Amino acid sequence: QKEVEQNSGPLSVPEGAIASLNCTYSDRGSQSFFWYRQYSGKSPELIMSIYSNGDKEDGRFTAQLNKASQYVSLLIRDSQPSDSATYLCAGERSNDYKLSFGAGTTVTVRA
Amino acid sequence: SQTIHQWPATLVQPVGSPLSLECTVEGTSNPNLYWYRQAAGRGLQLLFYSVGIGQISSEVPQNLSASRPQDRQFILSSKKLLLSDSGFYLCAWSVPGTGEKLFFGSGTQLSVL
Repeated sequence: QKEVEQNSGPLSVPEGAIASLNCTYSDRGSQSFFWYRQYSGKSPELIMSIYSNGDKEDGRFTAQLNKASQYVSLLIRDSQPSDSATYLCAGERSNDYKLSFGAGTTVTVRA
Repeated sequence: SQTIHQWPATLVQPVGSPLSLECTVEGTSNPNLYWYRQAAGRGLQLLFYSVGIGQISSEVPQNLSASRPQDRQFILSSKKLLLSDSGFYLCAWSVPGTGEKLFFGSGTQLSVL
């Protein structure tokens, strides 16, 4: 079982719509979670971090964490063509605090 | 502010040749340093991490090695490259502690032919 799993997509949404990305994790002791955005051929860029159950909003991005169900999600509101990228979910391993990454979900925003 | 430099951006090497990728961090002291590899369409695989000079931890046995000769310098090496070593190599740093946020270098696309 992979430590962090994501729907690989691709996820295609029209401009202005909400893109919803989901991630599940197997390490019940994980406390910290991160979302990275990676444009094609570029390195990942941290866009959100979340440590507590509930929602965390930053601009058009909202991260949601549910530790009981072991899932993390990312909502992108008012999607723009510039949001087209692969989004990586990462969770901190409870034994050594290193990050495990999902394979990523590719998002395409249609103009 | 902190910056991370990684080079080269692309590299094409023949099978059996050596490899040396270098990464340096500026604007912070005693960072945790990491080497990740990303195969096409795959997630990030942690290869090595270091919590200090000369302290290297390896995640998986493989054809690669890492060294940290200075506090903010991290080097990934191989004596003889394999075809399976091809991929996108990323150096990253973090401030030590829990809830670590990773910050990545620009990456090296390595093609072994």
